[in-house]
Amino acid sequence: TQLLEQSPQFLSIQEGENLTVYCNSSSVFSSLQWYRQEPGEGPVLLVTVVTGGEVKKLKRLTFQFGDARKDSSLHITAAQPGDTGLYLCALLSGGFKTIFGAGTRLFVKA
Amino acid sequence: GAVVSQHPSRVICKSGTSVKIECRSLDFQATTMFWYRQFPKQSLMLMATSNEGSKATYEQGVEKDKFLINHASLTLSTLTVTSAHPEDSSFYICSARTLSAELYHFGPGTRLLVL
Repeated sequence: TQLLEQSPQFLSIQEGENLTVYCNSSSVFSSLQWYRQEPGEGPVLLVTVVTGGEVKKLKRLTFQFGDARKDSSLHITAAQPGDTGLYLCALLSGGFKTIFGAGTRLFVKA
Repeated sequence: GAVVSQHPSRVICKSGTSVKIECRSLDFQATTMFWYRQFPKQSLMLMATSNEGSKATYEQGVEKDKFLINHASLTLSTLTVTSAHPEDSSFYICSARTLSAELYHFGPGTRLLVL
């Protein structure tokens, strides 16, 4: 059983469209992280959300942590081909081990 | 620039041979390093936690005798895949935690292909 459920698993959209990916769990977390991974590379940390209801923005990316700290979303505005990649949410298990969700594979067509 | 390096970046070996992968923290010390495995079109799965100077802690289902981990210094951890088989072909990624435990840095990964 996955501790973190991500949806959708795969998303293919046209350049310029908006999209939202979700990360859900039945557990409450002290924090949650979002990573992006390009093919053949390691994941890169995008953001860490800590406070319930928190919203963080990174250029065209908006991250939200649910009020109950059991879910999070990533919204991308006006997607570009450079946004193509695997988006992973993650948590620190036991306070020190990074555990990843199954990921959302995004493909943005020019 | 990269703060965690892995060597080699890709390796092809024959079935039955052993392969060593290095993970180095370049400009910081890491008491704890982590090893992940990622199969095509899947997420990263934690294999083991490596602590400097002590035995690694393996996740459930990971064979410790097959995946030997050594963390001899604060900047180097190695993963040795012993008697590799085609099903061990995967993308292996390490991460390192800073001493302050505030930051985790991931390496660029090593692609292993066992023929």
